[in-house]
Amino acid sequence: DGGITQSPKYLFRKEGQNVTLSCEQNLNHDAMYWYRQDPGQGLRLIYYSQIVNDFQKGDIAEGYSVSREKKESFPLTVTSAQKNPTAFYLCASSPQARPQHFGDGTRLSIL
Amino acid sequence: SQQGEEDPQALSIQEGENATMNCSYKTSINNLQWYRQNSGRGLVHLILIRSNEREKHSGRLRVTLDTSKKSSSLLITASRAADTASYFCATDSQGGSEKLVFGKGMKLTVNP
Repeated sequence: DGGITQSPKYLFRKEGQNVTLSCEQNLNHDAMYWYRQDPGQGLRLIYYSQIVNDFQKGDIAEGYSVSREKKESFPLTVTSAQKNPTAFYLCASSPQARPQHFGDGTRLSIL
Repeated sequence: SQQGEEDPQALSIQEGENATMNCSYKTSINNLQWYRQNSGRGLVHLILIRSNEREKHSGRLRVTLDTSKKSSSLLITASRAADTASYFCATDSQGGSEKLVFGKGMKLTVNP
């Protein structure tokens, strides 16, 4: 079945540590996105990529980094510079000008 | 920046009743989408309505769009307990990229 896979489902970060969240899709979609969702809130865009080897900052990119070396993969690194990383992180993909398909998220907590 | 704002923020109804959710936005759009999120899961796309459309149906869902008022409504008819979820509207911007701007969401509870 085609879809988006996010891993791990739960992740814990220690102080000063960088952690990387995985997002893989086999839908052959060009565009991929990372969102952050805080409790009771909507989604805020962190980074997005419309094509391999290119990505743009969203509304809350500070403290995060991404790469898009392959069409299928768009990993997100939460760096130690992100002082409030506890949140639910959602990855999505879409063909051009079409609705987005979402993974089931990674919940990141601080130890 | 969050463009869409859903109203009400929470709604509790009985099975079989209709549920109406409203969304207001600020800037001109190409289209408006509605998504659903079950607790702890990702979002699932429900329906897309383009800026030149006024109404669209999909099964028990009916969406309207009023671009003069910059507002949309989502009606779920004959609700079921399985419709319990959070619902989000999302808009793009005319002339923009593939980015969507999501509202804060509305929590619908359908009691059996």
